[in-house]
Amino acid sequence: QVQLVESGGGLVKPGGSLRLSCEASGFTFSDYYLSWIRLAPRKGLEWISYITSSSYTEYADSVKGRFTSSRDNAKNSLYLQMNSLRDEDTGIYYCARHMITSRAADYWGPGTLVTVSS
Amino acid sequence: QSVLTQPPSASGTPGQRVTISCSGSSSNIGSNTVNWYQLLPGTAPKLLIYTNNQRPSGVPDRFSGSKSGTSASLAISGLQSEDEADYYCAAWDDRLNGVVFGGGTKLTVL
Repeated sequence: QVQLVESGGGLVKPGGSLRLSCEASGFTFSDYYLSWIRLAPRKGLEWISYITSSSYTEYADSVKGRFTSSRDNAKNSLYLQMNSLRDEDTGIYYCARHMITSRAADYWGPGTLVTVSS
Repeated sequence: QSVLTQPPSASGTPGQRVTISCSGSSSNIGSNTVNWYQLLPGTAPKLLIYTNNQRPSGVPDRFSGSKSGTSASLAISGLQSEDEADYYCAAWDDRLNGVVFGGGTKLTVL
């Protein structure tokens, strides 16, 4: 069955860095576009970035220049390098798989919590 | 301030039909399909409706979606207590070149 599992979250001070990972299984990883989406306290869901099968990326304005998404198809893994972290980056970070025929995210991981606080 | 606009709350009694609206613009809902997600406390978001009105396998037919112009709606008929959750609409935005979400609607089953 399709599984996505995030890791790498934790507590970091403002200005610090974190690298999130998402390990996938149960499907042909290289065929699918993937996204990072976060759920911030009292703010709802926010799309962060997506990456195509060939590693073309797009980012939300709120993280552009600070976050970098990458993938390793040989390791069935997705990554999010987060630099210059701010208080407002606090939240649960999910990786999600997009359907091949639609931009809908049909499978999500359980998420990893990132807390940015001094 | 989300790009897509949803009511912050909705409510209904068991068995009732409720609808949740989602309003956007020509760059998102007006030119792309709409998806709906259900977020239960402590769980990952679940895809409920994709491509405006399609249900993934396993989603009950009590859930339905529609789209007209720059607006979309999610309808839940035969409301059940386990439907109490947060619901989000989402669409691709051609101007922002990314996915935009609504602010979410908290559904309470009275």
